Amino acid sequence: QKEVEQNSGPLSVPEGAIASLNCTYSDRVSQSFFWYRQYSGKSPELIMSIYSNGDKEDGRFTAQLNKASQYVSLLIRDSQPSDSATYLCAVTNTGNQFYFGTGTSLTVIP
Amino acid sequence: GAVVSQHPSRVICKSGTSVKIECRSLDFQATTMFWYRQFPKKSLMLMATSNEGSKATYEQGVEKDKFLINHASLTLSTLTVTSAHPEDSSFYICSAKTSGRAPYNEQFFGPGTRLTVL
Repeated sequence: QKEVEQNSGPLSVPEGAIASLNCTYSDRVSQSFFWYRQYSGKSPELIMSIYSNGDKEDGRFTAQLNKASQYVSLLIRDSQPSDSATYLCAVTNTGNQFYFGTGTSLTVIP
Repeated sequence: GAVVSQHPSRVICKSGTSVKIECRSLDFQATTMFWYRQFPKKSLMLMATSNEGSKATYEQGVEKDKFLINHASLTLSTLTVTSAHPEDSSFYICSAKTSGRAPYNEQFFGPGTRLTVL
């Protein structure tokens, strides 16, 4: 079983809609959770960090963490074509090692 | 967020030559840096974890004699691809982990180096 699982997509949403990206992890005692955005041909960029259960909002982005269900999600409100990218979920364990998912490709259609 | 630089951004070399890539954390000290490789439309692949002042830890299947890593200071790690061959052509990305109190460490990526071996 992989440490971090994401649906590879592609996920397509119309401009202005809410994009919902999901991630599950296998280590129940994982401590930190991150979302990265990677544009084609570029390196990943950290967009959200979340450490405790619940929601964390930053602009149009909301990260949601449910440790009981071992599930972390990223919502993008009012999606824009510029949000089209691959989104990587990352999780750290108690040893502070980072594990990345394979990414979900998002396309926002104008 | 913290800033990580990488140099060069792009390199083209002949088969058999060695290429050195530098990774610097510009506004923070990084005891741990990571080196990744990514092929087109594929996932990030962790090559090695670099700890300042000690030997790097390589992932299974990564040849340590081919990919030499040096982390001599808290802000600089280098990756040298020795005797490069066309199959080594890839996008190499470094990252650095902030040294804050766990679990609040974050990992920031450099812009990457695109290596083409002719």
